[in-house]
Amino acid sequence: DAKTTQPNSMESNEEEPVHLPCNHSTISGTDYIHWYRQLPSQGPEYVIHGLTSNVNNRMASLAIAEDRKSSTLILHRATLRDAAVYYCILRDVPLGGRDDKIIFGKGTRLHILP
Amino acid sequence: DAGITQSPRHKVTETGTPVTLRCHQTENHRYMYWYRQDPGHGLRLIHYSYGVKDTDKGEVSDGYSVSRSKTEDFLLTLESATSSQTSVYFCAIKGTTSGNTIYFGEGSWLTVV
Repeated sequence: DAKTTQPNSMESNEEEPVHLPCNHSTISGTDYIHWYRQLPSQGPEYVIHGLTSNVNNRMASLAIAEDRKSSTLILHRATLRDAAVYYCILRDVPLGGRDDKIIFGKGTRLHILP
Repeated sequence: DAGITQSPRHKVTETGTPVTLRCHQTENHRYMYWYRQDPGHGLRLIHYSYGVKDTDKGEVSDGYSVSRSKTEDFLLTLESATSSQTSVYFCAIKGTTSGNTIYFGEGSWLTVV
């Protein structure tokens, strides 16, 4: 499985933008890039995903490098409620096959400073 | 909301006893997953299922077994619980919309004493 690499932790000031990096140098052409976040004492929740083009939604933006070997999750204006662990994973959609292990890793713990 | 319910949400059990955690979904999704989460280890995949009676091992399957006799239920069993299995357990399903988004349950906190 293609793997991702993220910093263990990051800090940001409240009300400032946050850029969370993810490296995925072995990404294949059919891998989607997914981001999830996990708030304290909760299960992870979906944030955003993309394939090649940059993506925006109400929670965040996803910037994907032209060679797709890295991506950045952008929180445009961090709040204290954005303090969480953020996971970047690659998702290949199997062609009806059974092998779809979904490996998460340790993610990046984001601290927001008031 | 992907209609995922985990039970029990909290359990304390003694070493050596069997424990079964249940994951129930209402959306008829094919793929279901069990993860454990421990400090410093992130989310680790235990077992997953790609259909009724079809299951496979994940990263940390030793000491765990699973069963999927119905689409809606995925059971995780600790045959003989040990203190190292004290953890938070999350069930997840894979959706069928673009990109196959993953949805998680709220977690089951298990303490083995």
